[in-house]
Parts: sequence; structure tokens; C-alpha cells
Amino acid sequence: GAVVSQHPSWVICKSGTSVKIECRSLDFQATTMFWYRQFPKQSLMLMATSNEGSKATYEQGVEKDKFLINHASLTLSTLTVTSAHPEDSSFYICSAGQTSGNLDIQYFGAGTRLSVL
Amino acid sequence: GIQVEQSPPDLILQEGANSTLRCNFSDSVNNLQWFHQNPWGQLINLFYIPSGTKQNGRLSATTVATERYSLLYISSSQTTDSGVYFCAVAGGYQKVTFGIGTKLQVIP
Repeated sequence: GAVVSQHPSWVICKSGTSVKIECRSLDFQATTMFWYRQFPKQSLMLMATSNEGSKATYEQGVEKDKFLINHASLTLSTLTVTSAHPEDSSFYICSAGQTSGNLDIQYFGAGTRLSVL
Repeated sequence: GIQVEQSPPDLILQEGANSTLRCNFSDSVNNLQWFHQNPWGQLINLFYIPSGTKQNGRLSATTVATERYSLLYISSSQTTDSGVYFCAVAGGYQKVTFGIGTKLQVIP
């Protein structure tokens, strides 16, 4: 089946630094990828839709200058948490969809756990 | 947007027991997926089931799209089944809304 790779799986950084998370579709092309954030013991909340070759679409309440998204190719989207602070600590997950006929299945990366000290 | 409700929020089972998890959604959907999130956070796709019934080993799922609900059945539960089970639906193209999840703990 389709595989979505996310890297790194865990990152610890100092407050004020920027962190880049990569999401790759390994065996299929994805014009659209999605980024989610999950707080402890809560559900996944959609942050933004990453569109290949164009600007990302952010959900209400998500700061686009804080969470920079770049979808430079059909297999790679990156999320950069700029000037990270402890409140940005969270679990971030990406997904990419594969459509076959009228079936559309979302495949998820393994997630990135960000801890900002 | 579409509202997704899952029940129960928490469930404790003795190993070997059966259980049913429910997902209600507020509008017609293009797709519905059930996921298992393991203790390390990894999301495992269990079923893609916008309608009908599917089975995979000890797990099965049924979605009744006209009544806007889906059920996930776990039979003969094992400790490795522990984790959080999410129902996720999409009304528009690929954009997915997750329920709050059901936290399952299977005890030996």
C-alpha cells in the first residue's frame, strides 16, 4: 500500500529556534497534503492544506507566519515551526491522499513529537 | 463543517472480550476511515468504509451512510489492541475531520 514518511519522529529544541518537519509520499504523487496537530489526549486538528506549487490554505486560528508550509514537489511537503516556543510543543502529523477510481484514502505519516524547552 | 461524535470516550476490556465502538456524523460524507493510534502515536489505517461492511481478522466495521453512523467491532480483544481508535470523515475533497476518539485499554 501507499506509504507516507515523516521526519524527524522526535525533536527537542530550544525556545526561539525553528524546526522543519518533512512529509514525503514514497510511492505515489500527492498534489495535496495535510498537516494536523494533536495535543495530549486530544483529537487531531487540521492545521492546513498543503498544495503543490501554490500557497497553503490555513484553518481558522492557525498562524501562517508561525507555521510555514512549502509543497515544492508532488512528493514532499514541509512544515516549519518558526521561532518555536513551549506552547508549540505538540504532536504533528501529515497525510497524503491517494485516489483510485472513486475511492480516496488518506495515508498518514508516523508523526513528529516536538518538545520546545 | 461536519461534526463527528464517537462513543464511548473510554473503554476498559478484559482480554478476550468483544466491543463495539460507534461513530456518528452530522452530514453525508465522501469517505470514512477508522484508525488505531498506538501508544507511540502512529496512526494505523484500519478500514476505509464509506458504506457497507468490511472485515479484517478480529476487526470488522459497518457504515450505514443513510443513517450517518459507523460501527467498529473488535472481537476477542488482545492487549495489543490498546490505544485510541479514531473515526475520520470527509465531506469535501480529501479534507478530513476526526472524532475525539475512543481510548481502549485491554487488560490481561
